[in-house]
Amino acid sequence: EDQVTQSPEALRLQEGESSSLNCSYTVSGLRGLFWYRQDPGKGPEFLFTLYSAGEEKEKERLKATLTKKESFLHITAPKPEDSATYLCAGFSGGYNKLIFGAGTRLAVHP
Amino acid sequence: SQTIHQWPATLVQPVGSPLSLECTVEGTSNPNLYWYRQAAGRGLQLLFYSVGIGQISSEVPQNLSASRPQDRQFILSSKKLLLSDSGFYLCAWSVEGGQPQHFGDGTRLSIL
Repeated sequence: EDQVTQSPEALRLQEGESSSLNCSYTVSGLRGLFWYRQDPGKGPEFLFTLYSAGEEKEKERLKATLTKKESFLHITAPKPEDSATYLCAGFSGGYNKLIFGAGTRLAVHP
Repeated sequence: SQTIHQWPATLVQPVGSPLSLECTVEGTSNPNLYWYRQAAGRGLQLLFYSVGIGQISSEVPQNLSASRPQDRQFILSSKKLLLSDSGFYLCAWSVEGGQPQHFGDGTRLSIL
């Protein structure tokens, strides 16, 4: 069964303390992976698409990378406004069927 | 630019009552449309998706149904709500399968 697992479930950082979030997948024939940010009570906001191993995408303090087995979301010198839940989702042959992880709740404290 | 609207934002319904949640997309034509449910602490679960008017694919057997009466309108319905239908319902659109899905702000549904 296709599955996406995110770790850690929750992460508390001090402002400026860099870290990485992990997304590991057992999606047969993975065709692509998306990263989203979700604020409380809101819908997920699209961040990045990764289609092939070795690919990297950057946006402000965030950088997403993809290997053959997992993806990482690196957060460099985070600020309190980066606090949110970060979700990853993969898809394979069913291009409309995203498999979502449960997310990582990130809290950045000043 | 494209925008997606969902309403209502919150809804409290008694068990056994009907349900209708509506989602509309602006600024694009023939989008793929999706309904998800998100339980607390869990990932989003795909319920239905549609690649065109009148075309609905169901992913999870349940007492919910979906319809797409117009190109940019997607409706989630139920004839009789169960307690287990409580959750956060999200609508999304994409240009096509395999492309990023963009979400609305969801409906918080509570069943009493």
